[in-house]
Amino acid sequence: GENVEQHPSTLSVQEGDSAVIKCTYSDSASNYFPWYKQELGKRPQLIIDIRSNVGEKKDQRIAVTLNKTAKHFSLHITETQPEDSAVYFCAAYQAGTALIFGKGTTLSVSS
Amino acid sequence: DAGVIQSPRHEVTEMGQEVTLRCKPISGHNSLFWYRQTMMRGLELLIYFNNNVPIDDSGMPEDRFSAKMPNASFSTLKIQPSEPRDSAVYFCASSKLAGDSNEQFFGPGTRLTVL
Repeated sequence: GENVEQHPSTLSVQEGDSAVIKCTYSDSASNYFPWYKQELGKRPQLIIDIRSNVGEKKDQRIAVTLNKTAKHFSLHITETQPEDSAVYFCAAYQAGTALIFGKGTTLSVSS
Repeated sequence: DAGVIQSPRHEVTEMGQEVTLRCKPISGHNSLFWYRQTMMRGLELLIYFNNNVPIDDSGMPEDRFSAKMPNASFSTLKIQPSEPRDSAVYFCASSKLAGDSNEQFFGPGTRLTVL
């Protein structure tokens, strides 16, 4: 089955810096890659996603890139703010199955 | 839309007791997922249903765990007997079965503590 590796497990940045989180997946049949943000004590919520026919997608300060050949995808957050502090999960999906999540990255943004 | 509803939000029980967690998916969604979240293991998929049918329960840790979905608007996850290592946050999520994407909407979770 699918396996998703995510790193780093923790990331600390200064406010205004950029943050990058990377994930790799094992099953080449996976074709949808969402990112979820989970604030302390709350549920995971989708922040951005990308499909396999797209190499990059951007939404304001957040962008995701996908390299299908290498089977890895990344989340980029620019101009980080304290409210970006949370746990971020990547996931991989193929039709008819369930999302398989990475172990999560705890991002801390200090002002 | 009320979103995914889970109950109870918090459950404290003693080892050996039966625990039942409940979930109501978003109306119109036909896939339902149960996850367990711990610091050590992150978000683990326990089981999921498509159109009320269990598709993959390979994530269910032991026979003590069972899940049912008797209809499109209700699912339960039962642990019997419960053990301290079952302490975790249990999330239910739902989505629409779709070809290219599967945005899952999570419920607020049930925080289970087994003493």
